[in-house]
Amino acid sequence: DSGVTQTPKHLITATGQRVTLRCSPRSGDLSVYWYQQSLDQGLQFLIQYYNGEERAKGNILERFSAQQFPDLHSELNLSSLELGDSALYFCASSDRDRGIHIQYFGAGTRLSVL
Amino acid sequence: AQSVTQPDIHITVSEGASLELRCNYSYGATPYLFWYVQSPGQGLQLLLKYFSGDTLVQGIKGFEAEFKRSQSSFNLRKPSVHWSDAAEYFCAVGAGSGGSNYKLTFGKGTLLTVNP
Repeated sequence: DSGVTQTPKHLITATGQRVTLRCSPRSGDLSVYWYQQSLDQGLQFLIQYYNGEERAKGNILERFSAQQFPDLHSELNLSSLELGDSALYFCASSDRDRGIHIQYFGAGTRLSVL
Repeated sequence: AQSVTQPDIHITVSEGASLELRCNYSYGATPYLFWYVQSPGQGLQLLLKYFSGDTLVQGIKGFEAEFKRSQSSFNLRKPSVHWSDAAEYFCAVGAGSGGSNYKLTFGKGTLLTVNP
């Protein structure tokens, strides 16, 4: 168990809908990262937050947004969902935002858009 | 931009046989390298990492990896595979500005099947 908790484990929804994925980092970790794992693109970095502030962006669509709350949990919001958004979404956490560090991953949320 | 190539999509080995999973990276500066394993329905678990120093690194579950800068490789090895090692293995390079490795770039993964 990595200590990173993601809910829900599975999410089934329809095209055009909006969903929210939640992540609780390991105790004491201030950085949260979101990744998307799809069959065609593999594992891709989406976005990073550190202590409530956005620190880095990867290949995140404009329809997607994220935030980190004062209690350090993070939410990834996906809107106007398309079939191609079906994927496994991972959250990872670490104790810093700079320098060399290890990212610890949650079990993921599997999103199915029908 | 950094990239990672795992040439083998799927490898099948017999239980007790040795294993080597290949990983090649492309990155202009000093790479921070990782191997993660993903079992069905599980998240990504860190097997081992290379930040600096000794180029042969030991990890959990009896795995080791060797960093070869001249070949831009970071291959994962295990002398004797167990049935429980069946999973998907991902090599990743960490890169970012100012010596940070905030962004992990992953290879496409190698699926390992273990025959009894």
